[in-house]
Amino acid sequence: AQKITQTQPGMFVQEKEAVTLDCTYDTSDPSYGLFWYKQPSSGEMIFLIYQGSYDQQNATEGRYSLNFQKARKSANLVISASQLGDSAMYFCAMIRGFTGGGNKLTFGTGTQLKVEL
Amino acid sequence: DTGVSQDPRHKITKRGQNVTFRCDPISEHNRLYWYRQTLGQGPEFLTYFQNEAQLEKSRLLSDRFSAERPKGSFSTLEIQRTEQGDSAMYLCASSLAPQGAGETQYFGPGTRLLVL
Repeated sequence: AQKITQTQPGMFVQEKEAVTLDCTYDTSDPSYGLFWYKQPSSGEMIFLIYQGSYDQQNATEGRYSLNFQKARKSANLVISASQLGDSAMYFCAMIRGFTGGGNKLTFGTGTQLKVEL
Repeated sequence: DTGVSQDPRHKITKRGQNVTFRCDPISEHNRLYWYRQTLGQGPEFLTYFQNEAQLEKSRLLSDRFSAERPKGSFSTLEIQRTEQGDSAMYLCASSLAPQGAGETQYFGPGTRLLVL
């Protein structure tokens, strides 16, 4: 079974500063994918970034980067130059590396990020 | 290209009533997923379709829940005899598969259900 753990229920960061949101995972699958989604108060889950378990380099997408440490089973999200619009709930999620059937996402409990002036 | 859409966005119903939600996926996506999210939790998988075939159902999906994707495009999720415990956000996601570990699911805005 797969499990995602997000230990920070809430985080505060000042505008223009960088912030790291923690995520650890547990799986016995050799191949898997890790995702981060942003959920504003409106409710929609917005895809931010993806990291494959066999990817050699850490994923980056604009101001988002994923600090992937496979041996530690961690996949932390780093947001650089925070903006007020980054205030939202952030979810880490995992998928199996399996092409034979459906790939349901397993989510953590999320981290509520608030960006302050 | 439009994203995933869901209708209605909000639904208030009385206990015992039936409700139906609709999801329209991204047009070329062959997989469609339903998730449920309760307050303070991450989404939990309910069921998924590949084209029109429903291939997996979670044990969370009781007999009162039924989902269809009749022509492999839009999907409906029906809850019969609603209970207060059904109050949640119901999220739909679609993806292009198979892609293994790289299968990115794109979510709709969700339907918030409140059962009184």
